[in-house]
Amino acid sequence: DARVTQTPRHKVTEMGQEVTMRCQPILGHNTVFWYRQTMMQGLELLAYFRNRAPLDDSGMPKDRFSAEMPDATLATLKIQPSEPRDSAVYFCASGLGGNSYNEQFFGPGTRLTVL
Amino acid sequence: TQLLEQSPQFLSIQEGENLTVYCNSSSVFSSLQWYRQEPGEGPVLLVTVVTGGEVKKLKRLTFQFGDARKDSSLHITAAQTGDTGLYLCAGALLTTDSWGKLQFGAGTQVVVTP
Repeated sequence: DARVTQTPRHKVTEMGQEVTMRCQPILGHNTVFWYRQTMMQGLELLAYFRNRAPLDDSGMPKDRFSAEMPDATLATLKIQPSEPRDSAVYFCASGLGGNSYNEQFFGPGTRLTVL
Repeated sequence: TQLLEQSPQFLSIQEGENLTVYCNSSSVFSSLQWYRQEPGEGPVLLVTVVTGGEVKKLKRLTFQFGDARKDSSLHITAAQTGDTGLYLCAGALLTTDSWGKLQFGAGTQVVVTP
């Protein structure tokens, strides 16, 4: 049963600490997306990759956020230093870009609370 | 401002009633998806439509893509409590460099009570 996995599912940390979120995309998918969801803003695209290369990270605060794909089975999103306003649910999604369907499959999310 | 406007934002109905959720834009999309999200989980893909005027049915759910590929609707017949959730529409803009990038609507929260 192919699905996107994310770890950790929940993270509580203090302001100023580094946070790393991990995602394993569906095997064979060539695009990976990082989203942030809050009640106020809804689902916001932070960054996305095609064939492990960053395609667009304009939605991400560059001074504190970074996203990487060390290999095809792992995508990471780091926040350093974290701030209370970063509290949100972070989703990773993967898909097969380049076809007409543009479907994305989401992981269960990481709920981040920064105190 | 969101490229895709969903309405209504919130809908509360009783089991057995019908409901329709709308997703509108002034932009043209090459494809449009509907997702349902339940508390504590990620959005789950329900359907993808790619042809203007296309209608797809998934049991009691009917999805329609507008002729001009700028809007879509989701109709649920005889709603059940299991239909409760946040319904999100998302579309891929008709551009050459989107490569799978989606624009999401703000969502419609549907609550179905017994």
